[in-house]
Amino acid sequence: SQQGEEDPQALSIQEGENATMNCSYKTSINNLQWYRQNSGRGLVHLILIRSNEREKHSGRLRVTLDTSKKSSSLLITASRAADTASYFCATVGNSGNTPLVFGKGTRLSVIA
Amino acid sequence: GAGVSQSPSNKVTEKGKDVELRCDPISGHTALYWYRQSLGQGLEFLIYFQGNSAPDKSGLPSDRFSAERTGGSVSTLTIQRTQQEDSAVYLCASSPTGVVEKLFFGSGTQLSVL
Repeated sequence: SQQGEEDPQALSIQEGENATMNCSYKTSINNLQWYRQNSGRGLVHLILIRSNEREKHSGRLRVTLDTSKKSSSLLITASRAADTASYFCATVGNSGNTPLVFGKGTRLSVIA
Repeated sequence: GAGVSQSPSNKVTEKGKDVELRCDPISGHTALYWYRQSLGQGLEFLIYFQGNSAPDKSGLPSDRFSAERTGGSVSTLTIQRTQQEDSAVYLCASSPTGVVEKLFFGSGTQLSVL
């Protein structure tokens, strides 16, 4: 079963704008991760945030985590056409060694 | 190799045939995962191997699906008597330890069952 639910399902923005994607999950977690997928094939790990963290940055990426609301957001600042991809959140259960459970993803289109 | 390698990259088969999909994880990675992704959907967990522990098979959709990992390295996912609903991209991933902090994915095998 899928744990994370991303919102929106699809997002279209102009180059230079910021893109925000949200993820909600159902059970307690050890950590939450965001992945990117181009062309429906392999996924690439972007960033991980632990359950005791509230915000994390990596380059143009900013991730927040609210464990009380069981939600996370991924912000991509100053978007580029090359950011066009699908973005997935994935959660790991409390023990830390359960398989990643993925959401259905957000399809981001950045228009030049 | 430098990354997770999957073969074949594409497989077309007839309904009822058996197929084998191969995954070669990053050298030294103890954990290996199989996921399935139907068109436009998220990833569905299938099976998880961690070191010498018994695999977590809780995601396998039916007894037609099985997987093995030989010598703690290469893994083969076998689908017997394929059905059209088995058509999907099958993704393999590995991670250095059993603590799931970052998965490294292969490019997947696109399976089409006619």
